[in-house]
Amino acid sequence: GAVVSQHPSRVICKSGTSVKIECRSLDFQATTMFWYRQFPKQSLMLMATSNEGSKATYEQGVEKDKFLINHASLTLSTLTVTSAHPEDSSFYICSARSGAGGSSYEQYFGPGTRLTVT
Amino acid sequence: GNSVTQMEGPVTLSEEAFLTINCTYTATGYPSLFWYVQYPGEGLQLLLKATKADDKGSNKGFEATYRKETTSFHLEKGSVQVSDSAVYFCALSENGNKLVFGAGTILRVKS
Repeated sequence: GAVVSQHPSRVICKSGTSVKIECRSLDFQATTMFWYRQFPKQSLMLMATSNEGSKATYEQGVEKDKFLINHASLTLSTLTVTSAHPEDSSFYICSARSGAGGSSYEQYFGPGTRLTVT
Repeated sequence: GNSVTQMEGPVTLSEEAFLTINCTYTATGYPSLFWYVQYPGEGLQLLLKATKADDKGSNKGFEATYRKETTSFHLEKGSVQVSDSAVYFCALSENGNKLVFGAGTILRVKS
């Protein structure tokens, strides 16, 4: 099956610093990647949708200047949390989709990245 | 807007018990419905899906039927195993676009 990896799995950073999270599709080309945030005991909230080679589309209430998303290739998307603050501590999950139509609508999820800002 | 409501957990069952996790949805159109499972330390995996009313999705002994009249997609399994312990998410998607998730239900199965 399709595999999506995320790196790092856990990261601790100091308040005010930036941290980059990578999402890779290992065995397929992902034309679309999604970034989610999951709070403890809560559901996944979509943050943004990125299509390879174009700007990401952010959900309402998500600061695009704080959460920078780059989808530079068909197998890699990155999320950079800039000037991180303790309230940014969360579990960040990416997913990838190969294209439009049929089973390619299915999203394949990465294992997530636990970010802790101290 | 679209939303998904699923029963709160955790749900604790003994092995071989019958499982039901309720899920209802609100949507403006005719969404596809999904159940995802997240095992400890792993990413979400698609468990089953249904794309139109009265469709039944099934996989690994789990089933869910798309009920338009009650806007529901309840997950069932006749006999759970310890290995089914995980978090289960109900979700919907319209036109193959973004997924809207329920809050997730933790299932714990005791031997």
